Amino acid sequence: AQTVTQSQPEMSVQEAETVTLSCTYDTSENNYYLFWYKQPPSRQMILVIRQEAYKQQNATENRFSVNFQKAAKSFSLKISDSQLGDTAMYFCAFMKQEGAQKLVFGQGTRLTINP
Amino acid sequence: DAGVIQSPRHEVTEMGQEVTLRCKPISGHDYLFWYRQTMMRGLELLIYFNNNVPIDDSGMPEDRFSAKMPNASFSTLKIQPSEPRDSAVYFCASSLFKGGQETQYFGPGTRLLVL
Repeated sequence: AQTVTQSQPEMSVQEAETVTLSCTYDTSENNYYLFWYKQPPSRQMILVIRQEAYKQQNATENRFSVNFQKAAKSFSLKISDSQLGDTAMYFCAFMKQEGAQKLVFGQGTRLTINP
Repeated sequence: DAGVIQSPRHEVTEMGQEVTLRCKPISGHDYLFWYRQTMMRGLELLIYFNNNVPIDDSGMPEDRFSAKMPNASFSTLKIQPSEPRDSAVYFCASSLFKGGQETQYFGPGTRLLVL
């Protein structure tokens, strides 16, 4: 079974700083997808970024980028020039490429951006 | 596209009452998922459907919970009878299984409070 671990329950940074959220996972699969979802106080789950395991290039979406280290089974999220609206819970998630389309979530990291 | 639509957004009911949560997936998506989120257990997958057929209901906590998907554009999650421990946020998500497009998009959630 796959597991996803987010070792930082809470983080806090100042506005405009760069912050990195950690995520590690355990799997015997070779092909899979990794995701970061954001959950602001509204509780809506919003997709931030996704990464295909077969791609060596790290995914980027504007101020959001990932550092995907397949051998180390690590998938960190970097937020550059952080904004107050980035305050949210962030969830790392794993999904196998073949078979069941089930997401396995980490426990989440609560990120607070301070003015 | 309107995204995943869930109703109601909030539900307050008394113990023993029947509760029905509704979901309309994104048009064209062939997978539909029901999740529950609580502080204690985080995000849990309850059940998911592929082409309207339930594939895995191993996450459904008890026989009090049931889910249906009568057609490609509608699904329900029913709790009968409801109990205070069922209080949670219930999310519906949908995805399309199409090489490299397997991303789950979440609805806004239904906040359920059972008194």
